[in-house]
Amino acid sequence: DQQVKQNSPSLSVQEGRISILNCDYTNSMFDYFLWYKKYPAEGPTFLISISSIKDKNEDGRFTVFLNKSAKHLSLHIVPSQPGDSAVYFCAAKNQGGSEKLVFGKGTKLTVNP
Amino acid sequence: EAGVVQSPRYKIIEKKQPVAFWCNPISGHNTLYWYRQNLGQGPELLIRYENEEAVDDSQLPKDRFSAERLKGVDSTLKIQPAELGDSAVYLCASSLWLGTLNNEQFFGPGTRLTVL
Repeated sequence: DQQVKQNSPSLSVQEGRISILNCDYTNSMFDYFLWYKKYPAEGPTFLISISSIKDKNEDGRFTVFLNKSAKHLSLHIVPSQPGDSAVYFCAAKNQGGSEKLVFGKGTKLTVNP
Repeated sequence: EAGVVQSPRYKIIEKKQPVAFWCNPISGHNTLYWYRQNLGQGPELLIRYENEEAVDDSQLPKDRFSAERLKGVDSTLKIQPAELGDSAVYLCASSLWLGTLNNEQFFGPGTRLTVL
């Protein structure tokens, strides 16, 4: 049973527009959420995170929104740039438990010039 | 600062052969993780070390997989014998655990294993 779900395998947007990547989770014990970005032949790199005590966290062009009641989070990239083209993984953990991150399957973002 | 180093980057073996992967974490990081990423999936934790101690190996298939982290620095992950279903990317990550709750995990580039 997948505890973290990214239902869109791919997303294509035009340069300069907004990219919205979605993530749903089922485990109510999760209280910390992260987004990782992965380029081909490289390991995932940390992008942005959010604690369950917040509903929004912003870092430059990247904003993560958390809706706890819906068990849903989203990553907004504005404006999107061609260099943002990568696979984006949503991950979650229980801060009071182990350091185990549970990842979604990823969404491949393509930003077209 | 050097990142997490893994070797080899690619490995092709025949089934039933043994294989080993090596990881050198970021200097000073006391926590080390091994993940497996199957094609089209996200990474899945296999084992987590705090210094030399394996504190979470619940997802490690212990009949054929083994890992060690001697002296709390470098780590090796071994599969013996390998099966076709072991084809995946094996990722190593490290972090500095200071008792705070949200320490970032830094990933290496991974080893892509193909079992024929």
